Amino acid sequence: QSVLTQPPSVSAAPGQKVTISCSGSSSNIGNNYVSWYQQLPGTTPKLLIYDNNRRLSGIPDRFSGSKSGTSATLGITGLQTGDEAHYYCATWDSSLSAGVFGGGTKLTVL
Amino acid sequence: QVQLVESGGGVVQPGRSLRLSCAASGFTFSNYAMHWVRQAPGKGLEWVAVILYDGNNKYYADSVKGRFAISRDNSKNTLFLQMSSLGPEDTAVYHCARALGHYGSGSYDPWGHGTLVTVSS
Repeated sequence: QSVLTQPPSVSAAPGQKVTISCSGSSSNIGNNYVSWYQQLPGTTPKLLIYDNNRRLSGIPDRFSGSKSGTSATLGITGLQTGDEAHYYCATWDSSLSAGVFGGGTKLTVL
Repeated sequence: QVQLVESGGGVVQPGRSLRLSCAASGFTFSNYAMHWVRQAPGKGLEWVAVILYDGNNKYYADSVKGRFAISRDNSKNTLFLQMSSLGPEDTAVYHCARALGHYGSGSYDPWGHGTLVTVSS
């Protein structure tokens, strides 16, 4: 059971938009920055978004992040088949004094 | 370029110990906090531990606290993870990752490709 809750899967058609939610609590998302990672099949996770909404250099502006209260959201517009991957949210939990990840969301581009 | 290369993984019997290493290059290692993150086969990501830039502060996941020890040698640009009392639940690919900004930001970039640890009799 992950500290951060993500939907197991989402899907959308090419060219469409999808959002992936990440729900936590005041001890983690509510008082710390959130990051998002993309893990393509068979590869190492790659940082997409950090500090809630900042794109790492080289990440297309089709990817965006936002945070409100104890939840965060990753948005992907103009979906491409190459976006099919697992996506993870991450932050720090101040009560646990530990890093935490969401359980991951598998994106399928139909 | 910035590079992290893990080593030390392998097959180990339950209850035994193993030490992982992560060789860093392409950046000033002593300026950054460093993390270990693991991923069991077919499972999600699990944060394991972090050590701050000077090695004076360390934090661990509850699942490894008391069994794993993170350390670093800034003179050799190397990060370590000493794992003891290993169990099947510790079977995973172990990645080292550099903290992007504050150690508690949840931001890890880049990641090494990882080293596989398999705990089995």
